[in-house]
Amino acid sequence: NAGVTQTPKFQVLKTGQSMTLQCAQDMNHEYMSWYRQDPGMGLRLIHYSVGAGITDQGEVPNGYNVSRSTTEDFPLRLLSAAPSQTSVYFCASRLKGRPLLSSGNTIYFGEGSWLTVV
Amino acid sequence: GENVEQHPSTLSVQEGDSAVIKCTYSDSASNYFPWYKQELGKGPQLIIDIRSNVGEKKDQRIAVTLNKTAKHFSLHITETQPEDSAVYFCAATVNAGGTSYGKLTFGQGTILTVHP
Repeated sequence: NAGVTQTPKFQVLKTGQSMTLQCAQDMNHEYMSWYRQDPGMGLRLIHYSVGAGITDQGEVPNGYNVSRSTTEDFPLRLLSAAPSQTSVYFCASRLKGRPLLSSGNTIYFGEGSWLTVV
Repeated sequence: GENVEQHPSTLSVQEGDSAVIKCTYSDSASNYFPWYKQELGKGPQLIIDIRSNVGEKKDQRIAVTLNKTAKHFSLHITETQPEDSAVYFCAATVNAGGTSYGKLTFGQGTILTVHP
């Protein structure tokens, strides 16, 4: 049972380059999301999706694009990387339709993607 | 929107002592409050959570308390062990019935170090 799988684990980009962070889950979760984690700021929501073909912006969406063509995959695209996008990125997923609570429904996080933009 | 403040940012204790981390939230409609533990190089993992209709929840050495009136909730770890050393995050969201997405707002994190 793989859970939430993120690739790559580490990446160095030059300013202006583009790249895609991949996220896949094998739990048939409808809800998926991307967070970025910066020192002293906790995790902040970038984009999220409530199902295939449906995406929406989170707290810090600028500079990032997402799409959700399948239930399993939710890639995050950086079109023109900037040093301010240096961060650790986490993908997460959970079931739809049941309230969040450890006994019934919980959020699963991937192991993170460390991105440095120079 | 929701704002969550977490204190302290770092906490150092001796093995066997208790550790307490506190969070305050701003949106009185928030009804779900999870705590996550993040070990080095890993993603956050849920350790305990509470809904707003409960004042306290305990799971072995960890407990969470919620004061809805004051809009704050706390994580309590008793008999700390070196393996409790990690970053801990609180979060809050409105998650009524599970049909809405329920965006989590996270606190800034607490680095807990347990010295043997």
